[in-house]
Amino acid sequence: EIVLTQSPATLSLSPGERATLSCRASQSVSTYFAWYQQKPGQSPRLLIFDASSRATGIPARFSGSGSGTDFTLTISSLEPEDFAVYYCQQRSDWPLTFGGGTKVEIK
Amino acid sequence: QVQLQQSGPGLVKPSQTLSLTCDISGESVSSNRAAWNWIRQSPSRGLEWLGRTYYRSKWNNDYAMSVKSRITINPDTSKNQFSLQLRSVTPEDTAMYFCARMVGDQADRWGQGTLVTVSS
Repeated sequence: EIVLTQSPATLSLSPGERATLSCRASQSVSTYFAWYQQKPGQSPRLLIFDASSRATGIPARFSGSGSGTDFTLTISSLEPEDFAVYYCQQRSDWPLTFGGGTKVEIK
Repeated sequence: QVQLQQSGPGLVKPSQTLSLTCDISGESVSSNRAAWNWIRQSPSRGLEWLGRTYYRSKWNNDYAMSVKSRITINPDTSKNQFSLQLRSVTPEDTAMYFCARMVGDQADRWGQGTLVTVSS
């Protein structure tokens, strides 16, 4: 199965700063790739699909890039509600797999 | 607006069967574009896709190899819901279980989650 490795495990930033999260796949997944946000006590929420397309209702400060094995989620200017855990997911091959998560915490 | 509402017990004894249901509103379980999935989350295993059911002229199921011998996911068209049964559970099956709609194999709607503890 395809293994997704996210880095860093934790990102400590202040509101207004830029966040850059990475996910590396163990083999190419083309752009069959998604990002999710999960807040404590909540279900994950789809942010980005097909590597760079924002899901419905997702603010423009969230952007995704990459293809093949290396992907990036960028939050251009952190809002207080953006402090959460972020997961990547591939849909190139079965089974669907998720990364281990990056926690974005307030510095 | 599609919404998913989960129900089922939060405590299951070892060797017994874990059973959860996911009620769907706003879309038919027989939709030709959606797949209905179960995903679990635990500190040790992270987010783990377990399986799905979907209708494309006929009903289909796919399951993760890690649980394939123990899992059944069934649709219920009369109630517009789908269910999860995981047999012969052990403490390693303790997790938060989510139902989710996937369109294009990414999950755009999730249930609220059910914490299932396997313990005697």
